[in-house]
Amino acid sequence: KAGVTQTPRYLIKTRGQQVTLSCSPISGHRSVSWYQQTPGQGLQFLFEYFSETQRNKGNFPGRFSGRQFSNSRSEMNVSTLELGDSALYLCASSLGTGYYEQYFGPGTRLTVT
Amino acid sequence: AQKVTQAQTEISVVEKEDVTLDCVYETRDTTYYLFWYKQPPSGELVFLIRRNSFDEQNEISGRYSWNFQKSTSSFNFTITASQVVDSAVYFCALSDLDNYGQNFVFGPGTRLSVLP
Repeated sequence: KAGVTQTPRYLIKTRGQQVTLSCSPISGHRSVSWYQQTPGQGLQFLFEYFSETQRNKGNFPGRFSGRQFSNSRSEMNVSTLELGDSALYLCASSLGTGYYEQYFGPGTRLTVT
Repeated sequence: AQKVTQAQTEISVVEKEDVTLDCVYETRDTTYYLFWYKQPPSGELVFLIRRNSFDEQNEISGRYSWNFQKSTSSFNFTITASQVVDSAVYFCALSDLDNYGQNFVFGPGTRLSVLP
């Protein structure tokens, strides 16, 4: 089975721009979660989608949003980028919502200049 | 509120030494799951183990073993006879459910360096 894929792998954007990141989960997985990883804050939960519905959201401003499509693929969007948004964004998929283990993609490294 | 603490920020050992990574968690739920993940230098998190709150049996998988103790809210991870390839950041995580879905909280991670 193919693993979780994320595109693009690297991005450089300027402050004030917006960005869209994409995640394709493992086939058959219906839940997709997004995390932000930075050296200072560690791994922080952004949101979880299950069956095209946002199930849970972390403590991030409204500039961070996401969606899930009927094929379980997910996108996250960050608008009005700030320097502090520079991070590794990780997507994780799992069979369902609940106590399932999550399988992570390689991440998208976003640099905001 | 949930919380996962990994008090050891960095550990260095010499190859073939045993090493234990500590994890202490907080949750008000009686049903929850605990996880360990490994993040090698390549960056991709790798799932290692999942344990539910009702199963306190220790688990061994090759050189890896896990000790779950509800009485002390700990879920420690031991690598026996460490190897250079074990060098990575290791994360402990806790998952429970609220009305909306899965809450997944990661600890800050422990960076393990295994020296040849």
